[in-house]
Amino acid sequence: TQLLEQSPQFLSIQEGENLTVYCNSSSVFSSLQWYRQEPGEGPVLLVTVVTGGEVKKLKRLTFQFGDARKDSSLHITAAQPGDTGLYLCERYGGSQGNLIFGKGTKLSVKP
Amino acid sequence: NAGVTQTPKFRILKIGQSMTLQCAQDMNHNYMYWYRQDPGMGLKLIYYSVGAGITDKGEVPNGYNVSRSTTEDFPLRLELAAPSQTSVYFCASSRSSGNTIYFGEGSWLTVV
Repeated sequence: TQLLEQSPQFLSIQEGENLTVYCNSSSVFSSLQWYRQEPGEGPVLLVTVVTGGEVKKLKRLTFQFGDARKDSSLHITAAQPGDTGLYLCERYGGSQGNLIFGKGTKLSVKP
Repeated sequence: NAGVTQTPKFRILKIGQSMTLQCAQDMNHNYMYWYRQDPGMGLKLIYYSVGAGITDKGEVPNGYNVSRSTTEDFPLRLELAAPSQTSVYFCASSRSSGNTIYFGEGSWLTVV
């Protein structure tokens, strides 16, 4: 199977803390997307990682693509309440319309 | 700056009723998708379309139908609604495979 496993499923932290969430697969993928979904809204793309070992930064968010292109991580520095949401990873499944999503990490940042 | 527009936002249906969720995009995207999202279950693909006149089943198509008569519109039809179809439905579009996917704001459907 080409499932994407995300961990942890839930994460509740205090404002100012750092955190890392993970997205893993048993198979290699050519690219991976990270989305954030806020309550009551649709997912919004944060970043696409393509190259093994690639690191991309988006303000306090750091995205890393594993060297073997089977895993990815999202690290948030000094989390803020505005970071609260569901973080989803997604990969292209290799055929038309086949986009595979992980189940997401639900992050709650308390002030 | 509309992007992907879904209607209605909220709907309550009785078991056995039918309804259509509307989806329109103004980005001239070829690909359109319908997903459902259940708590703790992630996004499941219902149907997708790679262009006008072409549709195909996703992972969970049973109980749904779609059509794609124009590039802009991709309505999702629920026939004989069942409680198992209570969910949040998201329409999405992309220029082609592997391109950025843009999601609508979702339609909350409750079947009672």
